[in-house]
Amino acid sequence: EAGVAQSPRYKIIEKRQSVAFWCNPISGHATLYWYQQILGQGPKLLIQFQNNGVVDDSQLPKDRFSAERLKGVDSTLKIQPAKLEDSAVYLCASSISGTAISYEQYFGPGTRLTVT
Amino acid sequence: AQRVTQPEKLLSVFKGAPVELKCNYSYSGSPELFWYVQYSRQRLQLLLRHISRESIKGFTADLNKGETSFHLKKPFAQEEDSAMYYCALYSGGSNYKLTFGKGTLLTVNP
Repeated sequence: EAGVAQSPRYKIIEKRQSVAFWCNPISGHATLYWYQQILGQGPKLLIQFQNNGVVDDSQLPKDRFSAERLKGVDSTLKIQPAKLEDSAVYLCASSISGTAISYEQYFGPGTRLTVT
Repeated sequence: AQRVTQPEKLLSVFKGAPVELKCNYSYSGSPELFWYVQYSRQRLQLLLRHISRESIKGFTADLNKGETSFHLKKPFAQEEDSAMYYCALYSGGSNYKLTFGKGTLLTVNP
């Protein structure tokens, strides 16, 4: 089966600019996650969708970050305006469901964002 | 709040030597723990989960609730085991999410 797709793979922007990332999960996966991975850290969950509804966005900086998952398939994550500390790899993952029994997250290749 | 600690950022061993990557957790509920691995230029992927009690690529991990640990072990390391390893804690309840440790970079030298 095809894996999780993400684009772009790399992005360089100046601070205060806006940027958007796109994710296409594995077909049939109801749960979609966006993670932020800062250099030297483990992935940190930003937002979790179950179909097109938000399950958890407690660590999403909502003053500048937004995400949507229209129609419960693809998702976009946007940053506006970007700050230097947003430089990180943004990972998208999907799973069949969010429950423990079938809980394996499949990760995309990530988007490396550099804010200058 | 849940927390995962991987005390070693870097771990270097020789081929054929035993390897143990440490993971400690803090969680008030009943934990479910995982090890994820990222090989060079590859995606992050699941290595094993404690609930399955399986051995993958020769690696095993035992959940020790008394010591709140979930260390990853392999008796004889191979060069292809060189990778970044992340321990992750799953918190159930209303928020099904993974909390990752900072990771340990394992290098297996020939």
